[in-house]
Amino acid sequence: GAVVSQHPSRVICKSGTSVKIECRSLDFQATTMFWYRQFPKQSLMLMATSNEGSKATYEQGVEKDKFLINHASLTLSTLTVTSAHPEDSSFYICSASSDRSSSYEQYFGPGTRLTVT
Amino acid sequence: SQQGEEDPQALSIQEGENATMNCSYKTSINNLQWYRQNSGRGLVHLILIRSNEREKHSGRLRVTLDTSKKSSSLLITASRAADTASYFCATSPKYIFGTGTRLKVLA
Repeated sequence: GAVVSQHPSRVICKSGTSVKIECRSLDFQATTMFWYRQFPKQSLMLMATSNEGSKATYEQGVEKDKFLINHASLTLSTLTVTSAHPEDSSFYICSASSDRSSSYEQYFGPGTRLTVT
Repeated sequence: SQQGEEDPQALSIQEGENATMNCSYKTSINNLQWYRQNSGRGLVHLILIRSNEREKHSGRLRVTLDTSKKSSSLLITASRAADTASYFCATSPKYIFGTGTRLKVLA
């Protein structure tokens, strides 16, 4: 299957700072990328969907000014958590799919564990 | 909001037994996918079933889909300790995940 990478895999930051997480599709062109967050022992919650070159579509309850998403190319999307607070500590997972694939399959990154102190 | 609901939320079985978990969803779908997640790790795609398919097999996995009932089931046959993980269903086009089933296979 296709490969999606995330960087960093773990990050610890101080409250009030901003953190950028990168999501890359390594061997295919991702026309759509998704960002999820997951709290311990819970399911993945979709935060936003982004299409290359256009603004991200955020799910209800997700603050777009706090979670900045940029999908500047067909292989890279970034999520920036601005002015992070301890309650933003979570596991953030991205996934990518291609509208050129008839299966609409999503390929997931390995996740980034964010801890805000 | 969650699209899918998995049932049961937790399942504990002996190695060699079969494990069945169910997923129900609310809206029309293009396809439904099952994923596995080991504790604190990323997701592993297991199987995709399209809305016009009723059953699909992959190794020890068997997935069924009933669009009239908006439900799917995942059967893992001859389970192994390594199958211990959380299992999620996700529906497209919007890829909303269900609540997950935590499977524990005892050696």
